[in-house]
Amino acid sequence: EAQVTQNPRYLITVTGKKLTVTCSQNMNHEYMSWYRQDPGLGLRQIYYSMNVEVTDKGDVPEGYKVSRKEKRNFPLILESPSPNQTSLYFCASSRTHYNEQFFGPGTRLTVL
Amino acid sequence: GEDVEQSLFLSVREGDSSVINCTYTDSSSTYLYWYKQEPGAGLQLLTYIFSNMDMKQDQRLTVLLNKKDKHLSLRIADTQTGDSAIYFCAEIIRDDKIIFGKGTRLHILP
Repeated sequence: EAQVTQNPRYLITVTGKKLTVTCSQNMNHEYMSWYRQDPGLGLRQIYYSMNVEVTDKGDVPEGYKVSRKEKRNFPLILESPSPNQTSLYFCASSRTHYNEQFFGPGTRLTVL
Repeated sequence: GEDVEQSLFLSVREGDSSVINCTYTDSSSTYLYWYKQEPGAGLQLLTYIFSNMDMKQDQRLTVLLNKKDKHLSLRIADTQTGDSAIYFCAEIIRDDKIIFGKGTRLHILP
């Protein structure tokens, strides 16, 4: 089944404790992206990747890192999480940046 | 700056038409999209329109694009309870960055 998977789905952590949210797609898509969704602010792009070893900042990259060592995986790294990073995070992939984006199920992160 | 504007809420009676509006800022956008988010789920592409089109129809959905005013609308005919969701307008800017609107929550009245 073609899909985008994210792990974990739910995470509660404390300020400053490094964490990684994994994202994987099995559709051989070139374009992958991370978003955060907050009430009243909609969906904002954090980072995106046009292909392996190519990453670029989105609208809200501060406090996040990403890597794209393989085509299928695009992990989101929070080196020192803070409470303002409490949010619902979505990973998405598409064949190219113009094509339909397929979204993962979301990761709800709470930073205490 | 770069922004996609949408109204946050819309209430429509079941069976009526819903019209969700969006204004965008980048006149060079080549593709504009409508995504739907049902409760507890990620977004799913509903439809899209290429910038050289004025209108696109797909079953109950009609997308209208006014490039001069940078205005995009989504019309859902014969609105059903299953259409209750958040609808996001999105544009691609500078060829690779994607900007989403804040989303319009569509509420269906019985």
